[in-house]
Amino acid sequence: EAGVAQSPRYKIIEKRQSVAFWCNPISGHATLYWYQQILGQGPKLLIQFQNNGVVDDSQLPKDRFSAERLKGVDSTLKIQPAKLEDSAVYLCASSTRGESEAFFGQGTRLTVV
Amino acid sequence: AQSVTQPDIHITVSEGASLELRCNYSYGATPYLFWYVQSPGQGLQLLLKYFSGDTLVQGIKGFEAEFKRSQSSFNLRKPSVHWSDAAEYFCAVSEYSTLTFGKGTMLLVSP
Repeated sequence: EAGVAQSPRYKIIEKRQSVAFWCNPISGHATLYWYQQILGQGPKLLIQFQNNGVVDDSQLPKDRFSAERLKGVDSTLKIQPAKLEDSAVYLCASSTRGESEAFFGQGTRLTVV
Repeated sequence: AQSVTQPDIHITVSEGASLELRCNYSYGATPYLFWYVQSPGQGLQLLLKYFSGDTLVQGIKGFEAEFKRSQSSFNLRKPSVHWSDAAEYFCAVSEYSTLTFGKGTMLLVSP
């Protein structure tokens, strides 16, 4: 069974530039999560989708971050404009439903300079 | 709101010694609890989970965890640590389908 796919693995951008991350969840998984993991901290939930609807985006900085999950399958997370403090690993995860175990991709390491 | 506390930022254990990583949660109802492990540059891998039933759960790689409702704890244990267990360990709790993580405990294994 294929796992959660994320791309790119690494990205370096200058502050005020924009960047987008892509995630393809495990086939059949209705729930998709985007987490931000700053160095030395645990993952922080940015947004959670159930199919193509948003379940929780309370911690998403909506002035600069946006995410979509068209057709309830793959998802993109965008940052525009990026700030230095956005440097982190962005993890995508999926699960069959919210309460079940989540499977994680390898993440995208973003460095903003 | 749910929260997870992992009081130990770093733990160093000798290879072959036993291990216990602490996790406390704040949650109103019966929680869904998880332990994940993260190796450098990798995503998170599920070690074990507790949903209901037997409070002692077995996971992969020889890990186990015990749910203690009275102490709001879900500590992770392993009887004999191997050098390959060196990694960061995260406890997580699920409420209303949202998964919340602790800040993690870095496990260092000494020869």
